[in-house]
Amino acid sequence: IAGITQAPTSQILAAGRRMTLRCTQDMRHNAMYWYRQDLGLGLRLIHYSNTAGTTGKGEVPDGYSVSRANTDDFPLTLASAVPSQTSVYFCASSGGPGTDTQYFGPGTRLTVL
Amino acid sequence: GQNIDQPTEMTATEGAIVQINCTYQTSGFNGLFWYQQHAGEAPTFLSYNVLDGLEEKGRFSSFLSRSKGYSYLLLKELQMKDSASYLCAGMDSNYQLIWGAGTKLIIKP
Repeated sequence: IAGITQAPTSQILAAGRRMTLRCTQDMRHNAMYWYRQDLGLGLRLIHYSNTAGTTGKGEVPDGYSVSRANTDDFPLTLASAVPSQTSVYFCASSGGPGTDTQYFGPGTRLTVL
Repeated sequence: GQNIDQPTEMTATEGAIVQINCTYQTSGFNGLFWYQQHAGEAPTFLSYNVLDGLEEKGRFSSFLSRSKGYSYLLLKELQMKDSASYLCAGMDSNYQLIWGAGTKLIIKP
C-alpha cells in the first residue's frame, strides 16, 4: 500500500508556464488537501476537497486551481507560474473533513524562475 | 484572527526530557494536533487532543488546556532521531487545520 504519492518530486519551472502537480491516494479517503510550506511559516491550505466532485478554497487559493474527478486523484494546477509560488507543496488526505487525522504525501519542491 | 504560536527552536540533550509549548487561537475548536517533520520529509502524525488532560503514547505525551488555549508536547528519553521540527495545529469550527510555523528541536549528544 503506497498511501499518498505525489509527482514530480521536484521541478524547476519558468515563470508564466503552466504546471500540474499530481496527487494520488489509495486509502479511499474522502477528504484531500493541498498545502504549501515556506520557510518560517506554517503550512498554508491552498484548496481542499471534502469528497469526490466537490472542492473548496483554503487560505491562499489565488493562482491555483484543483479538480476532484474521483476519490483517488487531486491534481493542483498553476495556470501561469510566478516566482512567489516557489515552495514545497504537500498533498494530504483524511477519512473525512471532521476530526480525522491528515496523512501527508512526500511533497513536491517547486522552483519558479 | 486565528493564530498558533510555538517557539522557533529548542535545544536538548540526548536522554533528557523536553517540553514544546503551543498556544492557539482558533475560530471554534475541534482539537489540537502535533506532527513531527524531519528535514526534507513530510509531516507525520504524533498526537491528537480534544479534551483537557494528558495523552501518553510511549516516549511522547501531549497535554491540552482548552480554557487556556494551551498545549504542550513532552518528549522523554530523547534520542538523536528525535531531532526534527514539531508542528502544532489547531482544528477550527470548519474542521480546517491552522498550523504553527513549527519548533525545530536540536538534540545534542
